[in-house]
Amino acid sequence: QVQVVESGGGVVQPGRSLTLSCATSGFGFSSSGIHWVRQVPGKGLEWVAGRSFDGYTKYYAPSVKGRFTISGDSSENTLYLQMNSLRPEDTAVYYCAKDNVLPGANSFDYWGQGTLVTVSS
Amino acid sequence: IQLTQSPSSLSASAGDRVTITCRASQGIRSFLAWYQQKPGKAPKLLIYGASTLQRGVPSRFSGSGSETDFSLTISSLQPEDFATYYCQQLHTYPFTFGPGTKVDIK
Repeated sequence: QVQVVESGGGVVQPGRSLTLSCATSGFGFSSSGIHWVRQVPGKGLEWVAGRSFDGYTKYYAPSVKGRFTISGDSSENTLYLQMNSLRPEDTAVYYCAKDNVLPGANSFDYWGQGTLVTVSS
Repeated sequence: IQLTQSPSSLSASAGDRVTITCRASQGIRSFLAWYQQKPGKAPKLLIYGASTLQRGVPSRFSGSGSETDFSLTISSLQPEDFATYYCQQLHTYPFTFGPGTKVDIK
């Protein structure tokens, strides 16, 4: 069955870097769009970044563009989110979610449990 | 593309019919999904394509709308439906979510 598992969260000082991992199984990693969505505790959802179904195109929210980078390892079926120049406002639970591959079914059908990133001195 | 939701919160009783609306700042055809989120849990997909029920989601949930105006209706609220609901547009990057509607017990 489909599994999406995030890891790598923790406490980091402002200006430092952190890399999150999204380990996947049960679906075609190399042929699926996969995204990062974050949520400040008690607040709403914010789409952060995503990779197209073929892995070639990456997209970023304006709030993280130039600081965050998505990459993937198809041999490990794992997606990464490299986060540089972290700011206190990046503090959130980060979720990994996969595209629904049904034709016309644009949506995120499987989500991980999330990993908490805290940016604080 | 900005999404607004109304109401931001509502109180209802089990058995009530509940409707949540989502408005997009520009036309997004039917590229809209609805999610349910309970405290401490990841969001769960309910509806995609504005009106198609995700497999396994109870039929008391329904969605409608296109372009800029959408709605999510729960025909008879059940105890397990008390949660926060988000709409999301997947027409244009950056994909955006609405601010959420919290449904709690009256």
